[in-house]
Amino acid sequence: GNSVTQMEGPVTLSEEAFLTINCTYTATGYPSLFWYVQYPGEGLQLLLKATKADDKGSNKGFEATYRKETTSFHLEKGSVQVSDSAVYFCALSDLAETSGSRLTFGEGTQLTVNP
Amino acid sequence: DAGVIQSPRHEVTEMGQEVTLRCKPISGHDYLFWYRQTMMRGLELLIYFNNNVPIDDSGMPEDRFSAKMPNASFSTLKIQPSEPRDSAVYFCASSLAGRAGYTFGSGTRLTVV
Repeated sequence: GNSVTQMEGPVTLSEEAFLTINCTYTATGYPSLFWYVQYPGEGLQLLLKATKADDKGSNKGFEATYRKETTSFHLEKGSVQVSDSAVYFCALSDLAETSGSRLTFGEGTQLTVNP
Repeated sequence: DAGVIQSPRHEVTEMGQEVTLRCKPISGHDYLFWYRQTMMRGLELLIYFNNNVPIDDSGMPEDRFSAKMPNASFSTLKIQPSEPRDSAVYFCASSLAGRAGYTFGSGTRLTVV
């Protein structure tokens, strides 16, 4: 079946540091890939997505590239801010280009950014 | 759009009591999902609906849990009787087929004492 493996947390960085959160996946078909962010006390919010190989999703300074050859979708940001402190979830869907299919989530990575 | 609306935001109840969680999806969305989040088990998909019809309830932990979607704008998740191990944050999410990604509600934090 489908699965998502994320870098274990927690991750603690200083403001303006470079961020990488690793995500690899196992899927039988050609999934769409997502990063969600959960701020304290809130629900998950879609951060970015990519629907086919070599696509790059980007939003709010975060980027992730869909790498089929390495089955990875690593999240990166060049300079983190205190406000980026949150839990980040990598996810995949069974079918590309459809939100109707169920999402498979990774375990989440807690990021804390210190001033 | 107001987004996915869940109520209540917080619920504290005694063991053995019935608990009902409510969700209003985004208008026009045809998929609705119920998730449970705990520190130990992370995010778990409990059940999801398409056009108000349950598609997969294999994640529902046991018969004490039931979910309904009587119409396109409302769903409930019921736990009867509740137990302390049901304490968690329960999220509802909705989506529109053909557009990637879910929209989550803010969740209901359930505490069973």
